[in-house]
Amino acid sequence: GQQVMQIPQYQHVQEGEDFTTYCNSSTTLSNIQWYKQRPGGHPVFLIQLVKSGEVKKQKRLTFQFGEAKKNSSLHITATQTTDVGTYFCAGPGAGSYQLTFGKGTKLSVIP
Amino acid sequence: GAVVSQHPSWVICKSGTSVKIECRSLDFQATTMFWYRQFPKQSLMLMATSNEGSKATYEQGVEKDKFLINHASLTLSTLTVTSAHPEDSSFYICSARVFGGRGLGEQFFGPGTRLTVL
Repeated sequence: GQQVMQIPQYQHVQEGEDFTTYCNSSTTLSNIQWYKQRPGGHPVFLIQLVKSGEVKKQKRLTFQFGEAKKNSSLHITATQTTDVGTYFCAGPGAGSYQLTFGKGTKLSVIP
Repeated sequence: GAVVSQHPSWVICKSGTSVKIECRSLDFQATTMFWYRQFPKQSLMLMATSNEGSKATYEQGVEKDKFLINHASLTLSTLTVTSAHPEDSSFYICSARVFGGRGLGEQFFGPGTRLTVL
């Protein structure tokens, strides 16, 4: 079945440093979604990428979808303590409307 | 955005008892809801897809007789953990997909239920 791999598993950064998490799929994806889960919270939808090579920005967050639609990245510029949490990528699952989540990257920001 | 609620937010029970978790879509109708399980520091593992008015679709390795899912209405799905044991202790999260609207296909998650089985 489809696998969605995400690296790194953990990332500790000093506040103000940049952060990037990478997502790779074993198969071509029709779309990819990103979610953020704060400590003790639940996943919250951030964005969906659909087009090959697509780049979308949300303030300090930049999302990219690879040309082959098999990889994606999330880059945060000048991290803040509010960015703390686990970031998950998710691709379409085997069933209708299902999602297959990557293992997530847990971001810690040192003030 | 769409709001999904879950009840209870946490529950502690004795081994052998059954626990029911409710998942409600508050401001939209959800013909399809999903139940996930999340162990500490791990990713979301899809347990089953809950379909309104029909049987749930379980993922491989998930015991349907142990994790009973009922989706009786367009706004409510329930997960019952039957004869719970300590290994069932976990964070259970439901989600729903919104149809129409922006049509992005994103899932809206409930706040989760932390189950601890003693």
